[in-house]
Order: sequence, then structure tokens, then C-alpha cells
Amino acid sequence: DIQMTQSPSSLPASLGERVTISCRASQGISNNLNWYQQKPDGTIKPLIYYTSNLQSGVPSRFSGSGSGTDYSLTISSLEPEDFAMYYCQQDASFPLTFGSGTKLEIK
Amino acid sequence: EVQLVESGGGLVQPGRSLKLSCLASGFTFSNYGMNWIRQAPGKGLEWVASISSSSSYIYYADTVKGRFTISRDNAKNTLYLQMTSLRSEDTALYYCARRLGAAGGYFDFWGPGTMVTVSS
Repeated sequence: DIQMTQSPSSLPASLGERVTISCRASQGISNNLNWYQQKPDGTIKPLIYYTSNLQSGVPSRFSGSGSGTDYSLTISSLEPEDFAMYYCQQDASFPLTFGSGTKLEIK
Repeated sequence: EVQLVESGGGLVQPGRSLKLSCLASGFTFSNYGMNWIRQAPGKGLEWVASISSSSSYIYYADTVKGRFTISRDNAKNTLYLQMTSLRSEDTALYYCARRLGAAGGYFDFWGPGTMVTVSS
């Protein structure tokens, strides 16, 4: 099974700040890496798919990059609605696995 | 508008069974793979099971293999998860999600979830 190690688990940040969340796979996943946002009410939506493709309707301040085993999600300038949980997920092979999550909090 | 609405959750005793449903609308259900993903209270996301559009391919997490069965009825636009021999560790919010792409895909729409509590 492919293990996904996500960091940090908690990220205090301020409005307008640029932040990066990292995700490392236990083996190469050939860019099959997706990012999701979960709001406090439990609603989950995709942000980035296949490493760097922006889901329709997602603001351009979100971006993704990476290759091999190391991937990252960057938010260029934090808006109030961005404070939420973020999860990475590998889609290279079953069982599909998620990172443990990053809670983006207001500093 | 794509909509996924889960139902069937509730309080159940350990060792008993429960069947979840997910009613899909707003898209051609028979064209998409579907999944169940769960989240234990205060924990992260855990993929549970996947089923391809025609039910030809089915996969399970090791934690539920042999106890849970995923199925679908394309005529009724409904996804199911039959859960047996339930354990306390199965307590979670169960999400239904559409998967876009057969390989290297992603979950592009999620339902609001249905809560399953396993307790005596």
C-alpha cells in the first residue's frame, strides 16, 4: 500500500499570506496526486487533480506542483474562506490513500 | 446540477448489519465509477470501496474486505454499501463520491455524508 505523509498537520497563517502544504508518497505515484478541501461543516470539494490541474470553479490562488514522491499545494494569498482542512490523495493504485490532513488556521 | 445524497446511517450494535444508499442525480450515473469514503470522528479521510460504472471492477480497503459489499443499481441511480459484522471502529461519517477517470482519477463530487455509529 502507498502511504501518504502530509505536513504540517497544523498551519497557523494570516490573511494575505502565502502558504504551502506538502505531501510525500512512500513510493512514486507518477503525478497521480489530488488535493481536497474540507470545510468545518464537513463539505468536501476537490481543488487540484493530477498534481497541478485546477478544478473548475477553484480560484487561481490555489496551485499544485510536484513529481515522483513529493508534492505540494500552495495558496498564494489567503482569503477568509481558505481556513479549512486540506487533504492529499494518491490515485496511482488501490487501495486509494489520503494524507492525514492539514488544518489551516487563522494566526 | 450534480447531487449525491446518502442515507441509511444510524445507531447499530456491534456485530449487526446496516445498508447505506446514495441517490445520484444531475448526471448519467451509469457512466461513472463511484466510491465510499469515511471519516471517523475527529480523524482524517479513509477510502472504503470503489465500483466501476458497470460493476465490473470492485475494490475494498483491507479494513472492510469480507465484511462490506459495494454495489449499484444503474436503473435506480443508486449506490449501496452493505455493512455486516460491524465494529466500533466502523463508526464514521460515510461519504459517497463520484470518481472521474478510470486510472489516475479523482473524486469530483461528494455527498454530505451519513453518520454510522456502532455501539451497544
